[in-house]
Amino acid sequence: KAGVTQTPRYLIKTRGQQVTLSCSPISGHRSVSWYQQTPGQGLQFLFEYFSETQRNKGNFPGRFSGRQFSNSRSEMNVSTLELGDSALYLCASRPGVASTNEKLFFGSGTQLSVL
Amino acid sequence: GESVGLHLPTLSVQEGDNSIINCAYSNSASDYFIWYKQESGKGPQFIIDIRSNMDKRQGQRVTVLLNKTVKHLSLQIAATQPGDSAVYFCAENSLSDYKLSFGAGTTVTVRA
Repeated sequence: KAGVTQTPRYLIKTRGQQVTLSCSPISGHRSVSWYQQTPGQGLQFLFEYFSETQRNKGNFPGRFSGRQFSNSRSEMNVSTLELGDSALYLCASRPGVASTNEKLFFGSGTQLSVL
Repeated sequence: GESVGLHLPTLSVQEGDNSIINCAYSNSASDYFIWYKQESGKGPQFIIDIRSNMDKRQGQRVTVLLNKTVKHLSLQIAATQPGDSAVYFCAENSLSDYKLSFGAGTTVTVRA
């Protein structure tokens, strides 16, 4: 079974631009979560999508948004990029049937650098 | 008070020795816990999980211990190998919503 796939692997953008990251979950997984990882803040939860609906949201500004398609693939968008948005963005999937006791499986991430 | 498993950001271990990585979690309502391993350039990989109705769970060369009284979690790695060098994260989840919260991570370095 293929794992979680994230594209692109690396991105370089400048301040003020916007960016879209893509994630394909493990086949059969309906829940997709996004995390931001930085050296200073660690892994921070952005949001979770299930059946095309945002089910949970972390404490990030509205510049961070996402969506999920009917095939469970997800995209994350960051508008008006700031230097502090430079981070590794991780996508993770799980079946999504239960509210707990389900392992999250992570992709390798997209490394975003904002100049 | 008594220090129960202080979290250390780094841990250096001799190859072949046992490693113990500690984690203090914050939410007394958390009912599910996971340990992840992250190698350089990769996303976190699942190692082992434990539910709150258990206090110990064993896997291949790894054991997770849960002490709900002091909200403490530990990961023990037996006979540490060079391939165990990585950053290890504990994560907790509460029944009310699925939003894994991650600890700060411990960088384990295995000395040959």
